[in-house]
Amino acid sequence: DARVTQTPRHKVTEMGQEVTMRCQPILGHNTVFWYRQTMMQGLELLAYFRNRAPLDDSGMPKDRFSAEMPDATLATLKIQPSEPRDSAVYFCASGLRLPRQETQYFGPGTRLLVL
Amino acid sequence: DQQVKQNSPSLSVQEGRISILNCDYTNSMFDYFLWYKKYPAEGPTFLISISSIKDKNEDGRFTVFLNKSAKHLSLHIVPSQPGDSAVYFCAAAINAGGTSYGKLTFGQGTILTVHP
Repeated sequence: DARVTQTPRHKVTEMGQEVTMRCQPILGHNTVFWYRQTMMQGLELLAYFRNRAPLDDSGMPKDRFSAEMPDATLATLKIQPSEPRDSAVYFCASGLRLPRQETQYFGPGTRLLVL
Repeated sequence: DQQVKQNSPSLSVQEGRISILNCDYTNSMFDYFLWYKKYPAEGPTFLISISSIKDKNEDGRFTVFLNKSAKHLSLHIVPSQPGDSAVYFCAAAINAGGTSYGKLTFGQGTILTVHP
């Protein structure tokens, strides 16, 4: 049963600390997305990769967030320095880009709390 | 500007009855629509989708209807079961025949509760 995995599942940290979240997309998928879920904003797209190349990171605060995909099996989202307003659930999703199909498969999420 | 809106934050339905979840969108460029279901402490899971070339898509107990002129779609669950209790997200994309990059725009979600 192929699925997207994310680590860690939970993270509590103090303001100013670096946070790294990791995602392993489904093998064979060529698109990877990072989303953030908050009560106020719902699901927001932060960044998007296709074939490991970043295509859109307009949803990310550029000064503190960075997203990379060092290889086809790993995507990372870093926050440095973290702030309390970054507290949210961060989801990674992967998909296979096909005409007339946009299905994305989500991981279980990383619940981040910044104190 | 919320391009995809789910105006009902919650919906309560009796087991066995129909659940109807609604979604409105404003961007006429959207041509692909999806519904996701989310349980607590889990990621959203894909439920059903519809392309703008159709007005209905059915998968078992789940049917999605698309009214392009009204920029409205709905998800019907018949019959509803207690296990359907979850948050349902509507999402939209500009697919453009597969040439776009695949960004999904999500609604705020509707909490469905199915009572036994």
